[in-house]
Amino acid sequence: DTEVTQTPKHLVMGMTNKKSLKCEQHMGHRAMYWYKQKAKKPPELMFVYSYEKLSINESVPSRFSPECPNSSLLNLHLHALQPEDSALYLCASSATSGGTDTQYFGPGTRLTVL
Amino acid sequence: AQSVAQPEDQVNVAEGNPLTVKCTYSVSGNPYLFWYVQYPNRGLQFLLKYITGDNLVKGSYGFEAEFNKSQTSFHLKKPSALVSDSALYFCAVRANTGGFKTIFGAGTRLFVKA
Repeated sequence: DTEVTQTPKHLVMGMTNKKSLKCEQHMGHRAMYWYKQKAKKPPELMFVYSYEKLSINESVPSRFSPECPNSSLLNLHLHALQPEDSALYLCASSATSGGTDTQYFGPGTRLTVL
Repeated sequence: AQSVAQPEDQVNVAEGNPLTVKCTYSVSGNPYLFWYVQYPNRGLQFLLKYITGDNLVKGSYGFEAEFNKSQTSFHLKKPSALVSDSALYFCAVRANTGGFKTIFGAGTRLFVKA
């Protein structure tokens, strides 16, 4: 099974709200990722967790706060977002963060910031 | 600098005809190359990858790709296109830039006409 699940599928929030995105995988993968994807564009890397530790932060604004409570779960906490943050947020996982490992993507959360 | 180029924004092909989606890359060190497909409002699905060995890589749904080191290319091919192959295709390279990151091409939209 190569499934990565993400909840919710859709999220609409105001600029003052606090919300969280959730990602889960049960493949025993030890690397997990958050990507942001705008329409008709490639995914942009935001964060990488390796063995539950944050290993890469692509200079993402602090209004996005990742959390990896355990090896199966990855959260993205959202606070005081801007309308330009509206996008598809994709989670992915891979066996490790090494170069040869395949990343498997979840279906994404479509976020709209009003 | 590490980069991936997909020179065609869109490829049109008739059902039953062969299809090719082009990709070239620039990376220092060994290239780890991937193809993903994305259907509307969905996450990315892994198709195939090249790590080492045989230059012709076979993947899911009848797709294959040919690694050409001298031309730094990794073109995606399928002998007989299906209407259901219509989607957005991303070529990607895993590059070690202080931790492995996936660098995606801009994407190529494939239209298969019945």
